Amino acid sequence: GALVYQYPRRTICKSGTSMRMECQAVGFQATSVAWYRQSPQKTFELIALSTVNSAIKYEQNFTQEKFPISHPNLSFSSMTVLNAYLEDRGLYLCGAREISNERLFFGHGTKLSVL
Amino acid sequence: AQSVTQPDARVTVSEGASLQLRCKYSYSGTPYLFWYVQYPRQGLQLLLKYYSGDPVVQGVNGFEAEFIKSNSSFHLRKASVHWSDSAVYFCAVSVNYGNEKITFGAGTKLTIKP
Repeated sequence: GALVYQYPRRTICKSGTSMRMECQAVGFQATSVAWYRQSPQKTFELIALSTVNSAIKYEQNFTQEKFPISHPNLSFSSMTVLNAYLEDRGLYLCGAREISNERLFFGHGTKLSVL
Repeated sequence: AQSVTQPDARVTVSEGASLQLRCKYSYSGTPYLFWYVQYPRQGLQLLLKYYSGDPVVQGVNGFEAEFIKSNSSFHLRKASVHWSDSAVYFCAVSVNYGNEKITFGAGTKLTIKP
């Protein structure tokens, strides 16, 4: 079946440092990958949408300079949180979709804590 | 732009009782509607979705939801809850088939009393 793995599951970084998180699609080709963030006590916000062979589209309040994303092939995507601060804490979810399937599969997320 | 409102931040029901979690959406066109569940310390799992056809959709673990266009609602229901249903439930809307740009509601935290 189709699965999405994210790693690390949890990570802690010092304020001002950067953290890279990865998303792996298994059992299908992830033509589109969406990165979401759930800040503490809040709902999920879309950060950016990445489609293979297209430019990555960032939502308002999120920028490539802060959240650079790589989507080099149909099974892998990564996102880095640069210069992380307290407001960047939260659960980062990767959702991946195959072009022939309307369903979006989510990973378990990467929980980021910032000290 | 679309939006989703879940008016109840927290709901508590007794085990074995029936459940309804409310959801209203705002979108002028035909929405694609979802309910997701987030168990403690986990990511999101899809419970059910509505794209078209029968407005009552069945999901996993005995959950169902009814799309009522005239009311812009997509309430989630379950006839008899179990303690393991304790989780946070998110209603969500997408405006295009296969669109990954999903707008989530604020979530409803469900607690099941023994």
